Amino acid sequence: GQQLNQSPQSMFIQEGEDVSMNCTSSSIFNTWLWYKQDPGEGPVLLIALYKAGELTSNGRLTAQFGITRKDSFLNISASIPSDVGIYFCAGFTTGANSKLTFGKGITLSVRP
Amino acid sequence: DVKVTQSSRYLVKRTGEKVFLECVQDMDHENMFWYRQDPGLGLRLIYFSYDVKMKEKGDIPEGYSVSREKKERFSLILESASTNQTSMYLCASSPQQGLSNQPQHFGDGTRLSIL
Repeated sequence: GQQLNQSPQSMFIQEGEDVSMNCTSSSIFNTWLWYKQDPGEGPVLLIALYKAGELTSNGRLTAQFGITRKDSFLNISASIPSDVGIYFCAGFTTGANSKLTFGKGITLSVRP
Repeated sequence: DVKVTQSSRYLVKRTGEKVFLECVQDMDHENMFWYRQDPGLGLRLIYFSYDVKMKEKGDIPEGYSVSREKKERFSLILESASTNQTSMYLCASSPQQGLSNQPQHFGDGTRLSIL
């Protein structure tokens, strides 16, 4: 089945730094989603991408739908302590009845 | 804003008990989903439903069943709870019938412990 690869499992950055996370697959996706999960909470949708090459921002977050349709990245600029959490990518492949596939997530820690 | 509400944040049950996890959404979404989330394994789909009284098996349905009697409510049932079902359970919903590419919106999760 389709797999989404996110690595590393954990990232540690200093407050104020920018950070970029990748999500890759060997399959073609027609939708990419980025979620954030705070400790003890459910995932919250950050950004949705629907077209190859699309670049979308949400405050300090920017995400891009890769041209090959096999990858996406999320960039967080000027990180703050509340950016701590798990960041998941997810996507729908092409074809009818495509199920949502999730990456395993990257745990981000921000040092004050 | 979409609101997906799971009835319990924390639940402790005993081995062999029948356990019900309830989920309600207030956005008239057709699709509803149940996942479990375990460290190192990510989110795994248990069951989903795209209409009232409809259900489809996900990737790990064994030991679970579901009920969708009303559009807004999707229940997950552990027929006879076992310790390997200790996990974080997440309910989600999305609009439009069938599995279109609409984002899923999640509840806050139920952390279930089976003793």
